[in-house]
Amino acid sequence: KAGVTQTPRYLIKTRGQQVTLSCSPISGHRSVSWYQQTPGQGLQFLFEYFSETQRNKGNFPGRFSGRQFSNSRSEMNVSTLELGDSALYLCASSLSGGYGYTFGSGTRLTVV
Amino acid sequence: QKEVEQDPGPLSVPEGAIVSLNCTYSNSAFQYFMWYRQYSRKGPELLMYTYSSGNKEDGRFTAQVDKSSKYISLFIRDSQPSDSATYLCAMSVQQRGGADGLTFGKGTHLIIQP
Repeated sequence: KAGVTQTPRYLIKTRGQQVTLSCSPISGHRSVSWYQQTPGQGLQFLFEYFSETQRNKGNFPGRFSGRQFSNSRSEMNVSTLELGDSALYLCASSLSGGYGYTFGSGTRLTVV
Repeated sequence: QKEVEQDPGPLSVPEGAIVSLNCTYSNSAFQYFMWYRQYSRKGPELLMYTYSSGNKEDGRFTAQVDKSSKYISLFIRDSQPSDSATYLCAMSVQQRGGADGLTFGKGTHLIIQP
């Protein structure tokens, strides 16, 4: 079966712009989580959506937001991009959350 | 102090050796423990998950959890060059009707020398 699909794979944006990243979970998975991965901080939890509702949010500023659609697809938005937002953004899906996540290959965002 | 500590390595061992990877943690509320493997330019791939304390074996991989010591381990037997990757430990607190997300270690870079 198809895995977690993230688009685009690579993105270059200018400081101050905004960006939207997309994630299609495994069919049947209702929980979608987003993580930021950087060499300095490792993988950090951004937020989790379950049945179109944000269930938990990590310690990131309000510039980071997301949403989930009725078909479980999810988008993540970052406004007013900063250089420090350059990272690999990973989406993960699971049946109900808590453990057993399947990750996508990520979107590599570079802010210049 | 970080919630989850993991030696970043690199850890270099010869092919066929037994590899031991470890993490320590500080939050006693963690109940689910996972190991992920991440190859370059890929997302993490779930290898093992365990609930609470104990051992779990899957092929060449064995995961151990010692909640009293707040210490988890992953052992790889008969290591292969294809095992060369970054290994990340992860933990979560399962809440009824919700989830905290996963708390990750920073990963150990493992190199298996042919």
